[in-house]
Amino acid sequence: SQQGEEDPQALSIQEGENATMNCSYKTSINNLQWYRQNSGRGLVHLILIRSNEREKHSGRLRVTLDTSKKSSSLLITASRAADTASYFCATDKAAGNKLTFGGGTRVLVKP
Amino acid sequence: DTGVSQNPRHKITKRGQNVTFRCDPISEHNRLYWYRQTLGQGPEFLTYFQNEAQLEKSRLLSDRFSAERPKGSFSTLEIQRTEQGDSAMYLCASSDSAQETQYFGPGTRLLVL
Repeated sequence: SQQGEEDPQALSIQEGENATMNCSYKTSINNLQWYRQNSGRGLVHLILIRSNEREKHSGRLRVTLDTSKKSSSLLITASRAADTASYFCATDKAAGNKLTFGGGTRVLVKP
Repeated sequence: DTGVSQNPRHKITKRGQNVTFRCDPISEHNRLYWYRQTLGQGPEFLTYFQNEAQLEKSRLLSDRFSAERPKGSFSTLEIQRTEQGDSAMYLCASSDSAQETQYFGPGTRLLVL
């Protein structure tokens, strides 16, 4: 079963705009990760944030984590057409354990 | 390249047939995971190995499914007596137990007719 939900399910923006998507989860976690999946392909790891961290940056990506609300957000700044993909959050309860994924947000960046 | 590889990339089979998929993890990774993803959904965990040992199996993994990792390197996932509901993308991932990031392969897309 899915750990949580992602919001929105789909997002359409113009190139250059920012894209924000949210992830909620149900149980306590060790860390939360975000992955990108281009249509019909494997998942690419984007960023990992640990349960004791509140914010993390990587290039144009910014991730926040609020463990009191059991939620995370992913912000992609200055989006590009190549950012068009589905984005998934995933959590684990302990290092090296299975990942539990959300349902994903489908992002379309229009040139 | 030393990424995770999966074979075949696509498989079409008739209901009732058996199929086997292979995953070759990143060479120094001792953990290997299998997930299944249906259209429009996030991946769901099936099973994982540390070296040769299968440490956890999901309830999704019915008796028709079996996974092995005999030498602690590559792994195979077999589905016996396939059903149309088995149609999905089967994803393999690997990690180093000292790290937490799982690296995914390109997946095997199964279509059961």
